[in-house]
Amino acid sequence: DQQVKQNSPSLSVQEGRISILNCDYTNSMFDYFLWYKKYPAEGPTFLISISSIKDKNEDGRFTVFLNKSAKHLSLHIVPSQPGDSAVYFCAASGGGKLIFGQGTELSVKP
Amino acid sequence: EAQVTQNPRYLITVTGKKLTVTCSQNMNHEYMSWYRQDPGLGLRQIYYSMNVEVTDKGDVPEGYKVSRKEKRNFPLILESPSPNQTSLYFCASRRSGLADTGELFFGEGSRLTVL
Repeated sequence: DQQVKQNSPSLSVQEGRISILNCDYTNSMFDYFLWYKKYPAEGPTFLISISSIKDKNEDGRFTVFLNKSAKHLSLHIVPSQPGDSAVYFCAASGGGKLIFGQGTELSVKP
Repeated sequence: EAQVTQNPRYLITVTGKKLTVTCSQNMNHEYMSWYRQDPGLGLRQIYYSMNVEVTDKGDVPEGYKVSRKEKRNFPLILESPSPNQTSLYFCASRRSGLADTGELFFGEGSRLTVL
């Protein structure tokens, strides 16, 4: 049973436009939600997180939105740059575990 | 430099031949964890450790063992590898405590192929 789901395996966006990556979860007990970015042949690196008591967190070009009633979070990247091309994983934290979604491969075209 | 180091980075082995993937972190982190990444399945947790001598099963622990005798090391042991354990493995660590946000620091990965 997948507790964290990313239903879009891939996303293609033009440079300068907004990228929106989506994630759904099923467990209301998660404390934090995180986004990780992964380049080929490297480990995932932390990008941005949000506490379950907040609905928005912003860091430069990256903003994460949390909709608890819908059990949904999204990552907005504005403006998108070619260097943002990577696989993005959302993750949910709680009880000592960090559960990841399947990942969305973002391609930003010049 | 703060880092999580895994070895080997690449390994091809045969069914049934015991192997160990080592993981070491130099950040004095209490929490360490192993994940495997498979296409379409994302990252799935194998085992985790909240501190020395404390280990717990993750979501896919079958066929794996771990130990945490020292704070910095968390080896992953495959006693009798099988082809379905062919995967990309990541070790990760973080601090534990009240300020825990779940942010993990990952190693670069170990690609294992079992023939």
